[in-house]
Amino acid sequence: AQSVTQLGSHVSVSEGALVLLRCNYSSSVPPYLFWYVQYPNQGLQLLLKYTSAATLVKGINGFEAEFKKSETSFHLTKPSAHMSDAAEYFCALGGGTSYGKLTFGQGTILTVHP
Amino acid sequence: ETGVTQSPTHLIKTRGQQVTLRCSSQSGHNTVSWYQQALGQGPQFIFQYYREEENGRGNFPPRFSGLQFPNYSSELNVNALELDDSALYLCASSPEHLNTEAFFGQGTRLTVV
Repeated sequence: AQSVTQLGSHVSVSEGALVLLRCNYSSSVPPYLFWYVQYPNQGLQLLLKYTSAATLVKGINGFEAEFKKSETSFHLTKPSAHMSDAAEYFCALGGGTSYGKLTFGQGTILTVHP
Repeated sequence: ETGVTQSPTHLIKTRGQQVTLRCSSQSGHNTVSWYQQALGQGPQFIFQYYREEENGRGNFPPRFSGLQFPNYSSELNVNALELDDSALYLCASSPEHLNTEAFFGQGTRLTVV
């Protein structure tokens, strides 16, 4: 069975500080991993994806994530937080090569303080 | 190129009623997936349609059913609504069912009273 665990339902950082959102996964097959962002009352927007190529993946808005097989992790980082980064972030595991069949984590709400 | 659109954006139904939610997939996309996102939770996969056929289903009862039309738009039907069905329902479309990104719509907020 596949599962995704996001450590920390709420993360608070100051503007300009490092953002680190944690995601661990469990998968019986090689994983395809995604990070999505959701702003209030909106759908999900893809930030980045790992599909077995480079382990360090760069996405939109300055975010990046590193796939670590030994740690079964796919943590999301951004060197310097901006107020506009405040949103809810979801880590998701693909159902094999079917990117539409996703198993999502519980989400992490990111708050950015001035 | 238009994105994924869902209708209605909000609706309120009474327990026991039936509801139909609609999704227009992005132009050129033949795959649609539906998700239920309860308040404070991550989205849960309901089912996927590929070229008008169901192509995988999550852990949802049969009263959740779907349809995909020749133009690849889709409907989600829920019968015998329960209070726990209150959620944001998200539709995502993909160019193909494999190896392509899913693009999400804004969702339909369903409230069951």
